[in-house]
Amino acid sequence: AQSVTQLGSHVSVSEGALVLLRCNYSSSVPPYLFWYVQYPNQGLQLLLKYTTGATLVKGINGFEAEFKKSETSFHLTKPSAHMSDAAEYFCAVSASGGSYIPTFGRGTSLIVHP
Amino acid sequence: GAGVSQSPSNKVTEKGKDVELRCDPISGHTALYWYRQSLGQGLEFLIYFQGNSAPDKSGLPSDRFSAERTGGSVSTLTIQRTQQEDSAVYLCASSLSLYSFVDEQYFGPGTRLTVT
Repeated sequence: AQSVTQLGSHVSVSEGALVLLRCNYSSSVPPYLFWYVQYPNQGLQLLLKYTTGATLVKGINGFEAEFKKSETSFHLTKPSAHMSDAAEYFCAVSASGGSYIPTFGRGTSLIVHP
Repeated sequence: GAGVSQSPSNKVTEKGKDVELRCDPISGHTALYWYRQSLGQGLEFLIYFQGNSAPDKSGLPSDRFSAERTGGSVSTLTIQRTQQEDSAVYLCASSLSLYSFVDEQYFGPGTRLTVT
């Protein structure tokens, strides 16, 4: 079985500061990892995903995430936060041999202060 | 091209009434999913459809919930005898195929259901 833990239901940063949203997964086989963003009153949209190959994945809006197998982590970062980054962020995992349905974390709300 | 659409965007209903929520997936996507999003609870998987195969209903919380997908396209989620705990945002998503671990899901904007 696969699972995802997002540490911190809320993260607050100042505009221009580093954004770090944490995601740890559990999977007995190599995982496929996703970050989705949900803006207010909208559905989720894909930020980035890791399948195979390079462990540092770049996504839209300046976000990137690094797959660290030894730490079972896939943390999301952005060097400089913008006000428009305020949203809910979800980490998700799927894994070959497991369910085709991705397992989502509970989400982290990013708050950006001016 | 057009994304996933859902209707209505908001629905307020009285306890005990039945409601129908509609989802139009992206054309050509064979997989369709329904999720429920409650405050602070993340996404709860409800049901998926893959093409014309029998749906996986394992996530439906009770027999008051049902869903169908007509012609491999539009889907309707029905909740009978609604309860206050059914209040949530219901999200629909589609993807090219269920049988891929790497295909991303495309989400609709959701239907916010409030049961009074």
